Amino acid sequence: DTGVSQDPRHKITKRGQNVTFRCDPISEHNRLYWYRQTLGQGPEFLTYFQNEAQLEKSRLLSDRFSAERPKGSFSTLEIQRTEQGDSAMYLCASSPPIVGVVDTQYFGPGTRLTVL
Amino acid sequence: DAKTTQPPSMDCAEGRAANLPCNHSTISGNEYVYWYRQIHSQGPQYIIHGLKNNETNEMASLIITEDRKSSTLILPHATLRDTAVYYCIVNRTGANNLFFGTGTRLTVIP
Repeated sequence: DTGVSQDPRHKITKRGQNVTFRCDPISEHNRLYWYRQTLGQGPEFLTYFQNEAQLEKSRLLSDRFSAERPKGSFSTLEIQRTEQGDSAMYLCASSPPIVGVVDTQYFGPGTRLTVL
Repeated sequence: DAKTTQPPSMDCAEGRAANLPCNHSTISGNEYVYWYRQIHSQGPQYIIHGLKNNETNEMASLIITEDRKSSTLILPHATLRDTAVYYCIVNRTGANNLFFGTGTRLTVIP
């Protein structure tokens, strides 16, 4: 399977703990995105990378959240001092360089975080 | 800000066409209409997109009105595996933030 992969698929943690999620995009995709999805809502944009550069961050990305993509390949999303409100599905997506007008995002299966 | 309006839910009989409407009255000239769907416990999946002409691919057809203020996604022969939340999104090429909204929950009934 050459799609976007995310690890872990599920994470249960206690309030106040730090967690880190990993995303491996589709090979050759230079653009990478993180989204958060809470129950009953559509995904909400968190941040965007082009290669290793983080070019856009949502206001949802509080200072407890940090994302990296050090070599322009895989990415990590870390949440420090987790709160119960951080419980959500965290989705990663990737896109190839834009060719013409085609600009679609390919999503991974997500990491479901539960903060107790 | 929400740019599209979709009904919260729809039912469709298996084997029949599913027609999912979307209003996007404030769409700009350089914005495309994209449709994604999300099957339970999976990430969203791209379906189709269009600018002003009708589009068809192996998954669906997209009909965009002449004034581009609304569109309809058509699944010609719905199957049980098409049960999902369908999101209509307007986006310009190179815009990184897809705004999903709450979508339409389509239930295909046997």
